[in-house]
Amino acid sequence: IAGITQAPTSQILAAGRRMTLRCTQDMRHNAMYWYRQDLGLGLRLIHYSNTAGTTGKGEVPDGYSVSRANTDDFPLTLASAVPSQTSVYFCASSDGWGGTDTQYFGPGTRLTVL
Amino acid sequence: GESVGLHLPTLSVQEGDNSIINCAYSNSASDYFIWYKQESGKGPQFIIDIRSNMDKRQGQRVTVLLNKTVKHLSLQIAATQPGDSAVYFCAEIHSGGYQKVTFGIGTKLQVIP
Repeated sequence: IAGITQAPTSQILAAGRRMTLRCTQDMRHNAMYWYRQDLGLGLRLIHYSNTAGTTGKGEVPDGYSVSRANTDDFPLTLASAVPSQTSVYFCASSDGWGGTDTQYFGPGTRLTVL
Repeated sequence: GESVGLHLPTLSVQEGDNSIINCAYSNSASDYFIWYKQESGKGPQFIIDIRSNMDKRQGQRVTVLLNKTVKHLSLQIAATQPGDSAVYFCAEIHSGGYQKVTFGIGTKLQVIP
């Protein structure tokens, strides 16, 4: 069982380009999340999905979009990347979204926007 | 403990000693707390959790203490090992579940062999 996989591991991107970060989980979890982690700040929620077919905005959703076509996949798209989106991105999943189910994180994608 | 800033607070501990990592949380209405461990280049990993109706919970070599009066959380690691070297951060959750979780910045634990 792999848990959560993310791709790519790292990416350098020119400003203005479109980029999709991939996230796949094999635990059949209902809820999935995207966070960004920046030096000096805690993890911040970008978007979430409580179940396949539904998505919601987190704390910092601007410039990002997500889709949840099925249970396993939760891609994050940057429509037109800007340097302030340079960060490490983590995908996570949990069986329930209420907060008491353990949240599992992927290994992260390090994104640099020039 | 944790603080806002560009540099993570660092705790250096001799191997075999006990470690205490502190966290101040912000919302008195938070009812669930989690400690995570994050090793370099990896994603966060759940360590232990505690509900607001408890003041102590023990796991394997780890204990979490909750003081709601001063909104303070601590993680105690017994007999610290080199493999414990990582960044540790707390998370507080109130109504809204993981959609409303607030993560701390973290404390870097360095274990000296």
